[in-house]
Amino acid sequence: VQLVESGGGLVQPGRSLRLSCAASGFTFDDFAMHWVRQAPGKGLEWVSGISWNGGTIYYGDSLKDRFTISRDNAKNSLYLQMNSLRTEDTAFYYCARDIHGGVGGSGYFASWGQGTLVTVSS
Amino acid sequence: SYELTQPPSVSVSPGQTAIITCSGDRLGGTYVCWYQQKAGQAPVGIIYQDTVRPSGVPERFSGSNSGNTATLTISGTQPMDEAEYYCQAWDSTKVVFGGGTKLTVL
Repeated sequence: VQLVESGGGLVQPGRSLRLSCAASGFTFDDFAMHWVRQAPGKGLEWVSGISWNGGTIYYGDSLKDRFTISRDNAKNSLYLQMNSLRTEDTAFYYCARDIHGGVGGSGYFASWGQGTLVTVSS
Repeated sequence: SYELTQPPSVSVSPGQTAIITCSGDRLGGTYVCWYQQKAGQAPVGIIYQDTVRPSGVPERFSGSNSGNTATLTISGTQPMDEAEYYCQAWDSTKVVFGGGTKLTVL
């Protein structure tokens, strides 16, 4: 299992950024996927999760209005569109694979990428 | 919003048993997972569905969950176990993480 995030970088407050996660080594469309972030020196914060077919999507508190998760099973890829970025969105963003196809209940992040750093600063 | 509370730090001597707790309202009624994160690395899952240990995770790691408290137990703690540990659970449609516990092996 390999998950490789990309798309991070330095961005000004109020701008947008799209993160990608390229998956390999497993049948991508069998599993739900998630984004988890971690501000430097801080704890883990779940951002969003999407079911195997994109039919069920959940977001962390206060993120739904600005962030959009999506997936392209034909490309084995997960995405996170982040709009109206704020300084408090500065963090490492990890892509994680669930053990189930659906999101919720007994979901568990079985595999993680190495993360991509998003820095929001003027 | 739902909260999971962990002690900020736990210290243990090599070979001893480390116990890390995770508390939340009626936590025993939902599944709890545990993750280990070493400095500069991505998290790694070590326990899911309260007690299940993924393949490759040493047997010295075990979990339990009852009432309002979930527990991660590391028996015969080794220096390589020094890391940050996070508990995680689902609250309806949201994932909640505990604040993390820094395990020091000294």
